[in-house]
Amino acid sequence: EAQVTQNPRYLITVTGKKLTVTCSQNMNHEYMSWYRQDPGLGLRQIYYSMNVEVTDKGDVPEGYKVSRKEKRNFPLILESPSPNQTSLYFCASSMTGVADTQYFGPGTRLTVL
Amino acid sequence: DAKTTQPTSMDCAEGRAANLPCNHSTISGNEYVYWYRQIHSQGPQYIIHGLKNNETNEMASLIITEDRKSSTLILPHATLRDTAVYYCIVRVAGGIQGAQKLVFGQGTRLTINP
Repeated sequence: EAQVTQNPRYLITVTGKKLTVTCSQNMNHEYMSWYRQDPGLGLRQIYYSMNVEVTDKGDVPEGYKVSRKEKRNFPLILESPSPNQTSLYFCASSMTGVADTQYFGPGTRLTVL
Repeated sequence: DAKTTQPTSMDCAEGRAANLPCNHSTISGNEYVYWYRQIHSQGPQYIIHGLKNNETNEMASLIITEDRKSSTLILPHATLRDTAVYYCIVRVAGGIQGAQKLVFGQGTRLTINP
């Protein structure tokens, strides 16, 4: 089954404790991206990747890092999480770019205390 | 990418057609209209997209006005599982043109009532 998976689905952590949210797709997609969703602010893009080793900032990249060492994986790294990064995070992928049908993961609900 | 305007919320009776409008009066000639929906904090789901001709797939129909300044997403026989937030997005299609992000806006919260 074609899908985008994210782990963990739920995470409660404390300020400053490094964490990684994994994203994996099994569709051989070139394009992957991360969004965060907050009440009243909608979905905002954090980072995206057009292919292996090609990443770029979205609208809200501060406090986040990403890497794209393999085509299928696009982890989101929070080196020193802060409470303002408490949010619902979605990973998405598509064939070549954002204009193609986007497949979204199930989401990761992160709480930073 | 062109900006879109959607009603904040709508209601529809189960079994009836749900018609969700979207205004995109500043749309450019090479911009497509996309519709996604999000069911209660799940990941957004692609529904349909089109340029100027009406489109239909297994989920919905998309009617775009001749001047392309507005469109309507039609769910022909709405069910309770269609309750979701529906997003109308306008952007350039094809390859790597334009900014590589989707701008979701606030969408329309559609509630299907039994």
